[in-house]
Amino acid sequence: QSVLTQPPSVSAAPGQKVTISCSGSSSNIGNNYVSWYQQLPGTAPKLLIYDNNKRPSGIPDRFSGSKSGTSATLGITGLQTGDEADYYCGTWDSSLSAKVFGGGTKLTVL
Amino acid sequence: QLQLQESGPGLVKPSETLSLTCTVSGGSISSSSYYWGWIRQPPGKGLEWIGSIYYSGSTYYNPSLKSRVTISVDTSKNQFSLKLSSVTAADTAVYYCARQQLGHAFDIWGQGTMVTVSS
Repeated sequence: QSVLTQPPSVSAAPGQKVTISCSGSSSNIGNNYVSWYQQLPGTAPKLLIYDNNKRPSGIPDRFSGSKSGTSATLGITGLQTGDEADYYCGTWDSSLSAKVFGGGTKLTVL
Repeated sequence: QLQLQESGPGLVKPSETLSLTCTVSGGSISSSSYYWGWIRQPPGKGLEWIGSIYYSGSTYYNPSLKSRVTISVDTSKNQFSLKLSSVTAADTAVYYCARQQLGHAFDIWGQGTMVTVSS
């Protein structure tokens, strides 16, 4: 059971937009930065978003992050088949004194 | 550009100690702007943070693993290492090393190495 709750799966058609939610509490998302990772099949995770809404160099602006209260959201626009992957949110949990991740969301581009 | 590479045995016997090393190339592990971390992923499951270290040797660990984990750094070799003692089958996973921003995001990852715990 993950500290951060993500939907197990989401799907959308190519070209459409999808959002992935990450729900937590005041001890984690509510008071700490959130990051998002993309894990393509058989590969290492890749940082998509850090500090809630910042994109590392090289990450297209199709990917966006936001945070409100104790929840965070990853948005992906202009979906491509190459976006099919598992997506994880992560943050620091001040009560656990541990870096925590969500359980992951599998994105299917139909 | 900066790259990380994990190395170590792919098979460890139950009750023994898992030892892995992460070699950093294309940059210095002694940067004041980053920590260096270990994360693992059991087959078909999600990510679990194991612990992180600063180049000075300061460490912090996942409380759920703290009693069995030691992370160390060798700045002369630009490497950091993981030791996990008393392993069981539940420790079977892909182990990743990664560079960690001060805000806790892991921005550069190694390719990962599969470690199986089995007799």
